[in-house]
Amino acid sequence: NAGVTQTPKFRVLKTGQSMTLLCAQDMNHEYMYWYRQDPGMGLRLIHYSVGEGTTAKGEVPDGYNVSRLKKQNFLLGLESAAPSQTSVYFCASSYSWAEQYFGPGTRLTVT
Amino acid sequence: GQQLNQSPQSMFIQEGEDVSMNCTSSSIFNTWLWYKQDPGEGPVLLIALYKAGELTSNGRLTAQFGITRKDSFLNISASIPSDVGIYFCAGPGPSRGSGGSNYKLTFGKGTLLTVNP
Repeated sequence: NAGVTQTPKFRVLKTGQSMTLLCAQDMNHEYMYWYRQDPGMGLRLIHYSVGEGTTAKGEVPDGYNVSRLKKQNFLLGLESAAPSQTSVYFCASSYSWAEQYFGPGTRLTVT
Repeated sequence: GQQLNQSPQSMFIQEGEDVSMNCTSSSIFNTWLWYKQDPGEGPVLLIALYKAGELTSNGRLTAQFGITRKDSFLNISASIPSDVGIYFCAGPGPSRGSGGSNYKLTFGKGTLLTVNP
């Protein structure tokens, strides 16, 4: 039981490049979330999903897209990366909406 | 939107000391969660509280759901070096359902704990 896994762990992008972050959970959770964490800002919700095939915007959705084609996977896409998207990205999942379990994070640098 | 205020922002303590931190909300919460984040890792759920006045322990950690439903407290007894990290409080929203907001957590900005051996 791996819990929540994220790939890649680290990535460096140039401005304008695109990439997809993958989150996978093996706990059969309905709810999945993408957060970004920046110094002094805490955790901010980007997008979330309440079930396979559904997605919704969080607090800071601009510049990101998501897809939940399979219940166990939640993908976060950056179509045209900007330096402001340099951050640590965390995926989380939960059975109910309350107790969320986090992955180890992806450290993204956009130059 | 709702805000969570955590205090203190940081603490420097000696090993063996007890620690207290708290979290206050501008809205009533029906659930309080406490997470710990080790350096370079994702947050890990420590304690979940579901009822006003509830006091729950997890080893040396004790958390309380404030009676006003607008605050929560986390205490760590007899601190050890591995307690170092950032402690976050979180809550899922106001007590009355408001559609989508019940699916989301609001996080405090964290309390950074440093333990000197």
